[in-house]
Amino acid sequence: SQQGEEDPQALSIQEGENATMNCSYKTSINNLQWYRQNSGRGLVHLILIRSNEREKHSGRLRVTLDTSKKSSSLLITASRAADTASYFCATDADFAGGTSYGKLTFGQGTILTVHP
Amino acid sequence: SAVISQKPSRDICQRGTSLTIQCQVDSQVTMMFWYRQQPGQSLTLIATANQGSEATYESGFVIDKFPISRPNLTFSTLTVSNMSPEDSSIYLCSVLGGRREETPLYYGYTFGSGTRLTVV
Repeated sequence: SQQGEEDPQALSIQEGENATMNCSYKTSINNLQWYRQNSGRGLVHLILIRSNEREKHSGRLRVTLDTSKKSSSLLITASRAADTASYFCATDADFAGGTSYGKLTFGQGTILTVHP
Repeated sequence: SAVISQKPSRDICQRGTSLTIQCQVDSQVTMMFWYRQQPGQSLTLIATANQGSEATYESGFVIDKFPISRPNLTFSTLTVSNMSPEDSSIYLCSVLGGRREETPLYYGYTFGSGTRLTVV
């Protein structure tokens, strides 16, 4: 079943602007991950934030996690036309014994279009 | 991180036939995962494939429809059997991004490039 809900479903911005996407989830998680998918191809892992982290940065990406609200946001700063893609959040559920069972649950995704 | 080669990248098949999708990983991995992405939708986990044991299927997916093989630690196949137009989707395999001994806490997952299947 789909756990995450993302908003907006679609986002259209100009190059140089910032893009913010939000994700909500329902159950306890071990970590939350963001992925990018270009034109229905394979997914590329962008960033992972653990349940005990609140914010993480990677290049132009900034991710926040609020476990009390069961929500996360992905900020892409200074966007480029090459950032045009679908972005998905995915949650990795709580697991025991230090081993993940890989049952990622994906949100519905946000389609980002960056106009040159 | 692991690199996955997935084949075929796309195919158009007649209803009632079967298609086998292959994923080859450049390193040994304990678990491989198969996902389906229906048109305009998100990804749904089909099954988890462990080497040397039967695959574990998620609710709504059955072995007769999606048989999986996992003959060794670097290779897996997913077959979509007796296809109908409703099976038209992108199918993706996935593995942990880090080394086998490591948890995904720091690496996320690596995905194959996907197989776009159209059933006519």
